[in-house]
Amino acid sequence: NAGVTQTPKFRILKIGQSMTLQCTQDMNHNYMYWYRQDPGMGLKLIYYSVGAGITDKGEVPNGYNVSRSTTEDFPLRLELAAPSQTSVYFCASRGIMGPPQHFGDGTRLSIL
Amino acid sequence: GENVEQHPSTLSVQEGDSAVIKCTYSDSASNYFPWYKQELGKRPQLIIDIRSNVGEKKDQRIAVTLNKTAKHFSLHITETQPEDSAVYFCATYSGGGADGLTFGKGTHLIIQP
Repeated sequence: NAGVTQTPKFRILKIGQSMTLQCTQDMNHNYMYWYRQDPGMGLKLIYYSVGAGITDKGEVPNGYNVSRSTTEDFPLRLELAAPSQTSVYFCASRGIMGPPQHFGDGTRLSIL
Repeated sequence: GENVEQHPSTLSVQEGDSAVIKCTYSDSASNYFPWYKQELGKRPQLIIDIRSNVGEKKDQRIAVTLNKTAKHFSLHITETQPEDSAVYFCATYSGGGADGLTFGKGTHLIIQP
């Protein structure tokens, strides 16, 4: 039982490039989340999903897209990378009965 | 939307002393209040949480208190140890609007030997 798995762990992108951050969970959780954490700050919600085929915006969705085709996977896409998107990205999931959330180990992304 | 304020931003205490971190929130519908510990380069780890029908919860050296009327909750760590050094985040969850946690900005706890 691996919990929440994120790949890659580190990535450097050039401005304007695109990439997909992968997140998968093996706990059969309906709810999944993407957060970003800027240096010295708390986490901010980017997007979330309450089940396969259903996604919605969080506090800071601009510049990102998500999809949820299966219960297990919730990828986050950056279409045109900008320096402001340099951050650590955490994926999380929870069961249908409510919190707590389980976090992945994060993806550290630098855009130069 | 919800706004969570956390204080202090840095807290330095002598080993063995107690540490208290406080958070206030704005959304009266918030009903779940977790505390996370984050070590450098690691994921946030849940250390204790409390729900709105409870005023206090304890787990060994860690306790959380909640005052729903005043909209604030606090983390108390007693008999601090070097391994308690980390950044601590409070968060709230209301389940309405955008589903997800709203985090405070964090407190860097430093345990002085």
